[in-house]
Amino acid sequence: GAGVSQSPSNKVTEKGKDVELRCDPISGHTALYWYRQSLGQGLEFLIYFQGNSAPDKSGLPSDRFSAERTGGSVSTLTIQRTQQEDSAVYLCASSLVTSVGLNQPQHFGDGTRLSIL
Amino acid sequence: AQKVTQAQTEISVVEKEDVTLDCVYETRDTTYYLFWYKQPPSGELVFLIRRNSFDEQNEISGRYSWNFQKSTSSFNFTITASQVVDSAVYFCALAGNQGGKLIFGQGTELSVKP
Repeated sequence: GAGVSQSPSNKVTEKGKDVELRCDPISGHTALYWYRQSLGQGLEFLIYFQGNSAPDKSGLPSDRFSAERTGGSVSTLTIQRTQQEDSAVYLCASSLVTSVGLNQPQHFGDGTRLSIL
Repeated sequence: AQKVTQAQTEISVVEKEDVTLDCVYETRDTTYYLFWYKQPPSGELVFLIRRNSFDEQNEISGRYSWNFQKSTSSFNFTITASQVVDSAVYFCALAGNQGGKLIFGQGTELSVKP
């Protein structure tokens, strides 16, 4: 597709359940990022992938959060044993990597709105 | 540590007014990048501009202009002759020299009334 695609767009689940969020980046974008947007915390970085490896996981809030990327394309963010404070919009972004460095503009998907009951 | 401060939480203007959104950043990196993103009510984050730390030229794109001043660590955004469609939350963001993750400010909610 033309843009970053995320699914599902909305997810409601009970506390304690596991959830998987999916991100399909723009074709050809080797860098992929996950962020979280919540009312109290604003926009927070979670994890960054370059290809299939994650050189920066510093934003993952706890060991209940994990992410993987396969084939240098699709990424999944998994939250185990969800808590109410995990409720937020989870945003995925992708960017090109060029010879001038990694800081090419990131293009964002529409996000997954996660609600934990 | 890296930090972005957008001191204006909300701004309300009447259509055709000019408005400036402030952004102040902190970083110890000598090479860094600054960004502005727009988040309209529909929710998607839309990229507006990227500047790098060694290019202080101001930039103009239609009704939008950006003023980057390293001396004051500021990267302000001005909308000239605002329109109702400019109503959105605007985020300033900083990326250092390692890895490209964005550090966002808290955002400024702009409301343009007809």
